[in-house]
Amino acid sequence: SQQGEEDPQALSIQEGENATMNCSYKTSINNLQWYRQNSGRGLVHLILIRSNEREKHSGRLRVTLDTSKKSSSLLITASRAADTASYFCATINTNAGKSTFGDGTTLTVKP
Amino acid sequence: EAQVTQNPRYLITVTGKKLTVTCSQNMNHEYMSWYRQDPGLGLRQIYYSMNVEVTDKGDVPEGYKVSRKEKRNFPLILESPSPNQTSLYFCASKGESLAGNEQFFGPGTRLTVL
Repeated sequence: SQQGEEDPQALSIQEGENATMNCSYKTSINNLQWYRQNSGRGLVHLILIRSNEREKHSGRLRVTLDTSKKSSSLLITASRAADTASYFCATINTNAGKSTFGDGTTLTVKP
Repeated sequence: EAQVTQNPRYLITVTGKKLTVTCSQNMNHEYMSWYRQDPGLGLRQIYYSMNVEVTDKGDVPEGYKVSRKEKRNFPLILESPSPNQTSLYFCASKGESLAGNEQFFGPGTRLTVL
């Protein structure tokens, strides 16, 4: 299986609620990134957290990183219908350029 | 405008007919990479390049070739495409610092092999 694995695979919430997605990885990393993808389109970078950081905020996004558990979470607060998309975590191996993406969480925000 | 471009965006071809998908970036990035995405899955790395004339296999390199003769271009070559290579392909690039930089993605190439 891929190094990055997100859960849940699918998440459906009402507008205004918070959405939390989790990601686990297996090898050591320099950083972990979260991306968003609207159906069939290219990926858009959301936020990057370095291996020496534990938490990072960007607008309504909050990312945490626990390197001891090799896991990360992405929290979207006060969700909007426009947040409906797939969200992926990605890592690049510390010693090489190999990049691994999880299978993603599909978020549906109902108006 | 800083961007990664891919061509073509859509391609329908037949088994065995060699094809090339081009990728170009204008950000002077050292790192470039190709991914494929199949329905319901994340991106799987095909090949990547840390710099000119340096390429390495990703997780799913079989059936693909790449070259990096110049910094801005990283074409993906399918010498003899097969139906199982029908997929959505993304090219990406990244600045020199592996530690701190995001990947910039192209818009994707939807390939169908009949």
